[in-house]
Amino acid sequence: NAGVTQTPKFQVLKTGQSMTLQCAQDMNHEYMSWYRQDPGMGLRLIHYSVGAGITDQGEVPNGYNVSRSTTEDFPLRLLSAAPSQTSVYFCASRAIVGYIEQFFGPGTRLTVL
Amino acid sequence: ILNVEQSPQSLHVQEGDSTNFTCSFPSSNFYALHWYRWETAKSPEALFVMTLNGDEKKKGRISATLNTKEGYSYLYIKGSQPEDSATYLCAFTMDSSYKLIFGSGTRLLVRP
Repeated sequence: NAGVTQTPKFQVLKTGQSMTLQCAQDMNHEYMSWYRQDPGMGLRLIHYSVGAGITDQGEVPNGYNVSRSTTEDFPLRLLSAAPSQTSVYFCASRAIVGYIEQFFGPGTRLTVL
Repeated sequence: ILNVEQSPQSLHVQEGDSTNFTCSFPSSNFYALHWYRWETAKSPEALFVMTLNGDEKKKGRISATLNTKEGYSYLYIKGSQPEDSATYLCAFTMDSSYKLIFGSGTRLLVRP
């Protein structure tokens, strides 16, 4: 099992550009989520999904879109990047019944100039 | 708004010292409490998931306790080693929700 994979590992964008951060998991987990990590603020939930076709907002959803067309993939889209979106982004997945440990991807470090 | 508070924010100890951190969370509608270890430039690694009041979990020199009635959990490290240096995160899940809400973490530095 590859677990949770994220691409790219690093990205630099200019203000106003758009891009998609990719996330995939091969554990057949129903729940997937995106977090951003900023100094002194821990992990803040952006969006999450409890299954294909179902998404919902977390604590800091503004400026981000998500979709979940398959169980495996949960891409995060930045439609018009802003410097305030400079952060490290983590994708995570977990089962929603049984053993509920959440697994994290390796992270994407995004800089918006 | 659900608030998960961790204290202290940071801690510097000498090798061999024992230490503990606190995680406070809403006591109503509790479902699970997670502890993670997070090293710089890596992704968070799960230490414990606790669901029952009075739960105690142990992994090597690290242990955790849970009090769901008063809404707190303690993480203990016995005989800290430099390799224990990391940020320790706790996260809370309410029942009927799948979201993990994280605290801001306790940053531990163990000096040789």
